[in-house]
Amino acid sequence: GQNIDQPTEMTATEGAIVQINCTYQTSGFNGLFWYQQHAGEAPTFLSYNVLDGLEEKGRFSSFLSRSKGYSYLLLKELQMKDSASYLCAVMEAGNMLTFGGGTRLMVKP
Amino acid sequence: GAVVSQHPSWVICKSGTSVKIECRSLDFQATTMFWYRQFPKQSLMLMATSNEGSKATYEQGVEKDKFLINHASLTLSTLTVTSAHPEDSSFYICSARGVDSTYEQYFGPGTRLTVT
Repeated sequence: GQNIDQPTEMTATEGAIVQINCTYQTSGFNGLFWYQQHAGEAPTFLSYNVLDGLEEKGRFSSFLSRSKGYSYLLLKELQMKDSASYLCAVMEAGNMLTFGGGTRLMVKP
Repeated sequence: GAVVSQHPSWVICKSGTSVKIECRSLDFQATTMFWYRQFPKQSLMLMATSNEGSKATYEQGVEKDKFLINHASLTLSTLTVTSAHPEDSSFYICSARGVDSTYEQYFGPGTRLTVT
């Protein structure tokens, strides 16, 4: 089976930087996704990593190390609207997604 | 961008009745659609995968006779919760993968089901 771990909750200050970690153990790997989900809404796509390294997209960056089974999502210049859950999801063979438990991020003034 | 809609966005039903939820890809053809369930403060759990014209593949622990999935066209999949019980109350989210996509899924806005 799969095991995807990420912290349950994090708190950060507006304007700061926060890093959300995700570790995974899977039988297959076709890439790792990060999604943002506000309460009561569907997840929205943030990033996709399939090769090792850092992918930067505006204020958000995502890093992957396949050998370590490790990824992180980096959020810079935090804004109040960034308060949400951040979901790490791994795609196995067959291209199905398995989600981690999600990290609830609270941004404080 | 690719848009996926769900209908209804929320529904309240009585215990023992059936509820149908529709998932539509509005501007692309979806060869594969996925149905997820999400309980409060928990992550998404894949229920089943449906391919157009084929029977759905259910995840372990999901009763196929209780959660009927039909993927009759490249733009529509339906999930019917039969004989609903209060424990079926949840947020149901569908996602769709296009013909030209190998990995990206586009999520619908979700349907909040409350069974009384």
